[in-house]
Amino acid sequence: GNSVTQMEGPVTLSEEAFLTINCTYTATGYPSLFWYVQYPGEGLQLLLKATKADDKGSNKGFEATYRKETTSFHLEKGSVQVSDSAVYFCALGDNYGQNFVFGPGTRLSVLP
Amino acid sequence: DGGITQSPKYLFRKEGQNVTLSCEQNLNHDAMYWYRQDPGQGLRLIYYSQIVNDFQKGDIAEGYSVSREKKESFPLTVTSAQKNPTAFYLCASKTSLNTGELFFGEGSRLTVL
Repeated sequence: GNSVTQMEGPVTLSEEAFLTINCTYTATGYPSLFWYVQYPGEGLQLLLKATKADDKGSNKGFEATYRKETTSFHLEKGSVQVSDSAVYFCALGDNYGQNFVFGPGTRLSVLP
Repeated sequence: DGGITQSPKYLFRKEGQNVTLSCEQNLNHDAMYWYRQDPGQGLRLIYYSQIVNDFQKGDIAEGYSVSREKKESFPLTVTSAQKNPTAFYLCASKTSLNTGELFFGEGSRLTVL
């Protein structure tokens, strides 16, 4: 079946540091890929998505590229802020958009 | 504003009691989902529904029940048969588009005393 593997962290960075959170997937067909962010005590918010190979999703300075050859969707940001401290989830939606698989989440702490 | 509303945000229950968590959406989405999240863990699917009057079990359906009588509403009942119900419960919805994303509510935290 489909699966998502994500670095579990926690990740601690200083403000303005470069961020990478690795995500790889296993899937049949043509899944869509997503990054969600969760702040304490809240639901998940969509950060960005990509629906086909070589697509780049971007939002609020975060970027991720759908790499079919390496089955990866790594999240990057050039300069993190304290307000980026949260838990980040990589997720995959199947061909039909019915079933979703989530990674375990990566907790990011950004220190001033 | 369109969105998903979950209630209550916090709920305490004694062992042996059933509780129902509400989920309402005004996004006109066809599909709705319930997930469970435990501390430090990812999301696990409890039930999902693609259309009114139809729903399917997810990976951890035992001890839970749902109904989908209206497009806007997908309540989850946590029964006394659920052995470890203390968790954070998340409701989500999406369009019928294959590439569509999930939209989440703010969550309901259930604590069994």
